[in-house]
Amino acid sequence: AQTVTQSQPEMSVQEAETVTLSCTYDTSENNYYLFWYKQPPSRQMILVIRQEAYKQQNATENRFSVNFQKAAKSFSLKISDSQLGDTAMYFCAFMKVGLYNFNKFYFGSGTKLNVKP
Amino acid sequence: EADIYQTPRYLVIGTGKKITLECSQTMGHDKMYWYQQDPGMELHLIHYSYGVNSTEKGDLSSESTVSRIRTEHFPLTLESARPSHTSQYLCASSDEVSLIDTQYFGPGTRLTVL
Repeated sequence: AQTVTQSQPEMSVQEAETVTLSCTYDTSENNYYLFWYKQPPSRQMILVIRQEAYKQQNATENRFSVNFQKAAKSFSLKISDSQLGDTAMYFCAFMKVGLYNFNKFYFGSGTKLNVKP
Repeated sequence: EADIYQTPRYLVIGTGKKITLECSQTMGHDKMYWYQQDPGMELHLIHYSYGVNSTEKGDLSSESTVSRIRTEHFPLTLESARPSHTSQYLCASSDEVSLIDTQYFGPGTRLTVL
């Protein structure tokens, strides 16, 4: 079974500073993908960034980047130049490539990030 | 934002009532999902669908049922609601680009059963 652990239930950061959210996962799979999703208060969950496990290069999307350590099964999210709009719950997710073209997702319990002005 | 909708957004209902949570997407996605999310907890997959007339139970056991008669519509039904069903229910759909599913989530339905 796959498990995803986010050990930081809540974090705070000052506007314009950098913050790192941690995520570890446990799997025996070799072919999988990792995601960070953002869920702003009372709004829809949206994809922030994703990483293919077979790629060594860390994914980057504007101010968001990941530190993917495959051997350590770690997938942290770094947010640079934090903005007030980054305040949200952040979920780390693991996608197992499944049979019959169906891929299962497993989510962590989330980290609530509060960006302070 | 993604074109996936859920109604109602909030529902408070008494024990024993039958309820249907609606989920619709206009993106033409074949795959759709229902997740259950308790406050401060991870999402748990309760139902999924590959396409029309295809539904499967997820990892978390649920007394709810789903149907997929149309591609864009994936309703979830509880025949007899109980307080243990109180939770947030998230619907999602996904497209697949080079084997990677990108999930698009609806805004959720927060259900309270008294």
